Amino acid sequence: AQKVTQAQTEISVVEKEDVTLDCVYETRDTTYYLFWYKQPPSGELVFLIRRNSFDEQNEISGRYSWNFQKSTSSFNFTITASQVVDSAVYFCALSEGVYNNNDMRFGAGTRLTVKP
Amino acid sequence: NAGVTQTPKFQVLKTGQSMTLQCAQDMNHEYMSWYRQDPGMGLRLIHYSVGAGITDQGEVPNGYNVSRSTTEDFPLRLLSAAPSQTSVYFCASSTGGGGSNQPQHFGDGTRLSIL
Repeated sequence: AQKVTQAQTEISVVEKEDVTLDCVYETRDTTYYLFWYKQPPSGELVFLIRRNSFDEQNEISGRYSWNFQKSTSSFNFTITASQVVDSAVYFCALSEGVYNNNDMRFGAGTRLTVKP
Repeated sequence: NAGVTQTPKFQVLKTGQSMTLQCAQDMNHEYMSWYRQDPGMGLRLIHYSVGAGITDQGEVPNGYNVSRSTTEDFPLRLLSAAPSQTSVYFCASSTGGGGSNQPQHFGDGTRLSIL
């Protein structure tokens, strides 16, 4: 079965520091989709990015960037010049395209605290 | 648009009681799902539906039932509540043609405590 591991349970940084959140996944499928979601202290879940298994290009969106490497089964998320508003729990998730379509698996999440 | 609406936001039950968590979406999404969130475990899929009249089990379906009579609504039923079902429950929806492969829109969650 597919699996997502976020080894970092909690990370604390000072504002303006760069921080990388790690995500390692396991899948037997060649077609799959990777996601990052943000859960701020208010509790809602906010979609950040989706990446399919055939597109290994890194992506940048403002201060956020994502590094997808199939060779290491990783989909890491970097926040540049972190801000207090980035404090949240971040979840990495995997959805398989063929064997388990409609079955999304989430990692345990990484709680990021950005201190002023 | 309201997006995905969950009711109630909070609920306390006694062991053995039954209840239904409501979920409604107004985006005409075909795919809907229920997750539970427990500390240190992320979100786990309970049940999902790819359209009206079609439901299937996720990773942790035991103790829960679902039905999908309309595109808009996807209620989750706890048949006989147990303390192990104390959790935060999220409903989500996404467009069809890929189910969970599409970005999901989440409701605000229902915090459920079973005493």
